[in-house]
Amino acid sequence: AQSVTQLGSHVSVSEGALVLLRCNYSSSVPPYLFWYVQYPNQGLQLLLKYTSAATLVKGINGFEAEFKKSETSFHLTKPSAHMSDAAEYFCAVSDRDSSASKIIFGSGTRLSIRP
Amino acid sequence: KAGVTQTPRYLIKTRGQQVTLSCSPISGHRSVSWYQQTPGQGLQFLFEYFSETQRNKGNFPGRFSGRQFSNSRSEMNVSTLELGDSALYLCASTPEGLAGGSTDTQYFGPGTRLTVL
Repeated sequence: AQSVTQLGSHVSVSEGALVLLRCNYSSSVPPYLFWYVQYPNQGLQLLLKYTSAATLVKGINGFEAEFKKSETSFHLTKPSAHMSDAAEYFCAVSDRDSSASKIIFGSGTRLSIRP
Repeated sequence: KAGVTQTPRYLIKTRGQQVTLSCSPISGHRSVSWYQQTPGQGLQFLFEYFSETQRNKGNFPGRFSGRQFSNSRSEMNVSTLELGDSALYLCASTPEGLAGGSTDTQYFGPGTRLTVL
């Protein structure tokens, strides 16, 4: 069965520092992978998704993630953190089918930004 | 272009009752997915509808059901409510589904907060 593991339920970085949120997946075949963000008291937003051959995926708000099959990882990074990045981030996985809709979410990582 | 709308935004029900939640996707989007978010179980996929057909279903009991109309609006119904059904229910729409290219992104509604007493 597919699953994702997000390492660290809470990550704190200084403003301007590198953001690295870790995600490892478990799947028998390379799946589709996603990162979502949820700002306080708001709905979800899709940050980026890996569905094709390009292993480095660029998303919104300066975030990007790299699919590494050998490490079964899909870590989310941003070179320079901004106060507005404080939110909950979810990594997710789905089967490579026509809809990719049966998504399994990780438990989330809360990102805090220190001034 | 209007975003995804969900009604009602807040709902309070008692155990044993049933509830219907509504989701209006972005115009032109044919895929609507539903999710449940709780502090204990986190985010879980409920089901996806595409062109009025359920295309995928998560691991929820039969008390949870849904449908989609010809205008792509979707409803989900929960019968015989239990305390554990208290959650934020989110819906999201995409043009065709999440398997598409980078332009085929997904848009979420603000959610319906259901409280079961």
